[in-house]
Amino acid sequence: GESVGLHLPTLSVQEGDNSIINCAYSNSASDYFIWYKQESGKGPQFIIDIRSNMDKRQGQRVTVLLNKTVKHLSLQIAATQPGDSAVYFCAERSGGYNKLIFGAGTRLAVHP
Amino acid sequence: ETGVTQTPRHLVMGMTNKKSLKCEQHLGHNAMYWYKQSAKKPLELMFVYSLEERVENNSVPSRFSPECPNSSHLFLHLHTLQPEDSALYLCASSLGLVHQGADTQYFGPGTRLTVL
Repeated sequence: GESVGLHLPTLSVQEGDNSIINCAYSNSASDYFIWYKQESGKGPQFIIDIRSNMDKRQGQRVTVLLNKTVKHLSLQIAATQPGDSAVYFCAERSGGYNKLIFGAGTRLAVHP
Repeated sequence: ETGVTQTPRHLVMGMTNKKSLKCEQHLGHNAMYWYKQSAKKPLELMFVYSLEERVENNSVPSRFSPECPNSSHLFLHLHTLQPEDSALYLCASSLGLVHQGADTQYFGPGTRLTVL
């Protein structure tokens, strides 16, 4: 029979628009958060990270926002391009030896 | 390219076979990790090595046996696997474990494992 996989939420955007991908994390004691992008057939690619003593960090076309009050993390991508189409994962570090706990991921689909 | 390579990229094995996955990092990092990514669960950590010493075993069955002969190489030895072990096995490395700026994990492309 057909196996049941993870149901990934999908965000569809037009090329050139800004994208916002959201993530809820579980542990208020987590001290480090990271976003990865995974394209089909490839491993996760580091995008940007943020530590718990910050609430915003900017990279090239990307911004990560951290709201510790509600345990929420977001990734903003400016001027989204077709090459941004991928699955995006957030992860929190929660104890252990640099142990990352990953979310299920969000699929970003960019339409021309 | 992230500087982390994995071989083979695809592997099909029977439940009675023994095989090994190999990971090599060319980044001068001191910590290496094995993760499992299956269709049914989020990416999950299996093992962590720091300076060739295993520091985390995330309740992984003994049919998975890691080996870290030096800081650049990491192996995952597989024996008597089950069909539910079919997944993408990812290796990652970081310069260190908890020091700021040194703990970012960089992933390899993974080995797609199918157990028949």
